[in-house]
Amino acid sequence: AQKITQTQPGMFVQEKEAVTLDCTYDTSDPSYGLFWYKQPSSGEMIFLIYQGSYDQQNATEGRYSLNFQKARKSANLVISASQLGDSAMYFCAMTLQGNTGNQFYFGTGTSLTVIP
Amino acid sequence: NAGVTQTPKFQVLKTGQSMTLQCAQDMNHEYMSWYRQDPGMGLRLIHYSVGAGITDQGEVPNGYNVSRSTTEDFPLRLLSAAPSQTSVYFCATNEAGTFLEAEQYFGPGTRLTVT
Repeated sequence: AQKITQTQPGMFVQEKEAVTLDCTYDTSDPSYGLFWYKQPSSGEMIFLIYQGSYDQQNATEGRYSLNFQKARKSANLVISASQLGDSAMYFCAMTLQGNTGNQFYFGTGTSLTVIP
Repeated sequence: NAGVTQTPKFQVLKTGQSMTLQCAQDMNHEYMSWYRQDPGMGLRLIHYSVGAGITDQGEVPNGYNVSRSTTEDFPLRLLSAAPSQTSVYFCATNEAGTFLEAEQYFGPGTRLTVT
């Protein structure tokens, strides 16, 4: 069963505008971590932001914020003031520490293109 | 500091051949893991290790072996390569003590093609 779902294969945003990348997750564990990673065309994976399942406030890191809605099991990434360098693949991920050991699940990614 | 290094960057194998993908880190992290990235599939966890001498399976372990004799190194072995193992392989590390919240540090990846 899909643990992380990213329903937007591709997104476009005008430079300097904000964009929201969707992510929903599936777990019954009370403890988990949610992450967003960026993968530019060069291929490396870059950590952007983290949200813990018990965190009351939404995480923010510079122009990145995570809109965490626990009841809806969603963890959307908001990028404000988009820049051309934001064009990349974005992956939502979840960590679980359950009976089957430590597991790390990634979504299929969203390709973001920033238009000048 | 080099961070996480992977060798080779590219590799072409014939079906049935064996090889080892190397991963090394100088961050003194206890936790290391291997992922494969296929088009449209995101990253999937193959194997992971929470410290020297301790390994465990991830989501897609079949066809791969690992061992962890030192904190620094975590090689991934393909015993008999199959075309289905054509993929980009990433090694990653993080601090095991805080697994749920730990940022993962990724290597640059190895692009493997099995013909």
